[in-house]
Amino acid sequence: DAGVTQSPTHLIKTRGQQVTLRCSPKSGHDTVSWYQQALGQGPQFIFQYYEEEERQRGNFPDRFSGHQFPNYSSELNVNALLLGDSALYLCASSFGPARQPQHFGDGTRLSIL
Amino acid sequence: KQEVTQIPAALSVPEGENLVLNCSFTDSAIYNLQWFRQDPGKGLTSLLLIQSSQREQTSGRLNASLDKSSGRSTLYIAASQPGDSATYLCAAPTQGGSEKLVFGKGTKLTVNP
Repeated sequence: DAGVTQSPTHLIKTRGQQVTLRCSPKSGHDTVSWYQQALGQGPQFIFQYYEEEERQRGNFPDRFSGHQFPNYSSELNVNALLLGDSALYLCASSFGPARQPQHFGDGTRLSIL
Repeated sequence: KQEVTQIPAALSVPEGENLVLNCSFTDSAIYNLQWFRQDPGKGLTSLLLIQSSQREQTSGRLNASLDKSSGRSTLYIAASQPGDSATYLCAAPTQGGSEKLVFGKGTKLTVNP
């Protein structure tokens, strides 16, 4: 039973560039949430996708956008990268938008130079 | 606004010791609370999910309790082992049963052989 998978594992970008991170939910799950975890901090909620629509959004600027595909996989896009965007980006999936527990992937480590 | 605090930030114990990790939250109108484990550079592994009606949940050497009236949860680890070394995070919904989780900064546990 495949868990939540994220790609790539690591990514290095420079300021001003754009990046796309990908997530495949756990088998049977239809809801994907994205979190940003800065070093030494707890994860912070970015947004959640269900039925290909953004359902909830945390306190993140419009530079952060996402998409969910018919197969429930999801992408996180960040434009105009800033040094402060350096973090571990975690994807979590669940069956239904209000269901716990959420299952997390191993994340994508994004470094901005 | 939900805020989650974890004390202590770091803990070092000898192997075999029983220990307690603490988590406090400000909005007590939650349906559940979740404890996670995070190994260095990795994603989150769900350990225990406590529903507000349960007050307590056990898995092996782990026991988590939830006291909504005081806004507190504890994670008890019995007979600690070096393999328990990791960062432990608690997370509560922003409100009620919301799928949007608010995390504490975590407690970094080191179990010395």
